[in-house]
Amino acid sequence: EPEVTQTPSHQVTQMGQEVILRCVPISNHLYFYWYRQILGQKVEFLVSFYNNEISEKSEIFDDQFSVERPDGSNFTLKIRSTKLEDSAMYFCASTVRGSYNEQFFGPGTRLTVL
Amino acid sequence: AQSVAQPEDQVNVAEGNPLTVKCTYSVSGNPYLFWYVQYPNRGLQFLLKYITGDNLVKGSYGFEAEFNKSQTSFHLKKPSALVSDSALYFCAVSVSGGYQKVTFGIGTKLQVIP
Repeated sequence: EPEVTQTPSHQVTQMGQEVILRCVPISNHLYFYWYRQILGQKVEFLVSFYNNEISEKSEIFDDQFSVERPDGSNFTLKIRSTKLEDSAMYFCASTVRGSYNEQFFGPGTRLTVL
Repeated sequence: AQSVAQPEDQVNVAEGNPLTVKCTYSVSGNPYLFWYVQYPNRGLQFLLKYITGDNLVKGSYGFEAEFNKSQTSFHLKKPSALVSDSALYFCAVSVSGGYQKVTFGIGTKLQVIP
């Protein structure tokens, strides 16, 4: 069964450093997403991406964040200068299309900012 | 704006008993409603969804949910709980016509007691 994969599973970085979180969505999916979950809190929407551009983003997704689909398979989230409060689990998701379709989530990347 | 409320932080139920995990939502427009389950250190797994039609929807692992438009609720149910059902359950909503931004509730921890 196809699945969304994410690397690395755990990333530890120093405050102020840049990190790139990587995702490989399911191959025939067209919409891609990043969510984050701070420990003990709910899953929060960050950004959606379709047709090689951002379609929607939340207030959390400020200028420090960027997304890219550099080739036909990878989907990345970059945080330019990490802050302590960026420590969270980051989930990538994808779906075929249509808001009626469930999203398929990757296993997540745990980001720890020291 | 769309929102989801899960009024119970935790639900405890004895194995073999029926379980209910509550969810209410608020959207402008027609809602698409989802339940996801999260096991420790894992991503979110899709359980079931309501798009249109029959108010009672059936999903994976024997779970079902009832859509109630007048009460704006989408409670998750199972006739007979298993210990392996113990996990964190998230209710989520999106709205037709959008880019499928999914808004999650805060999650309800289900504890099934042997």
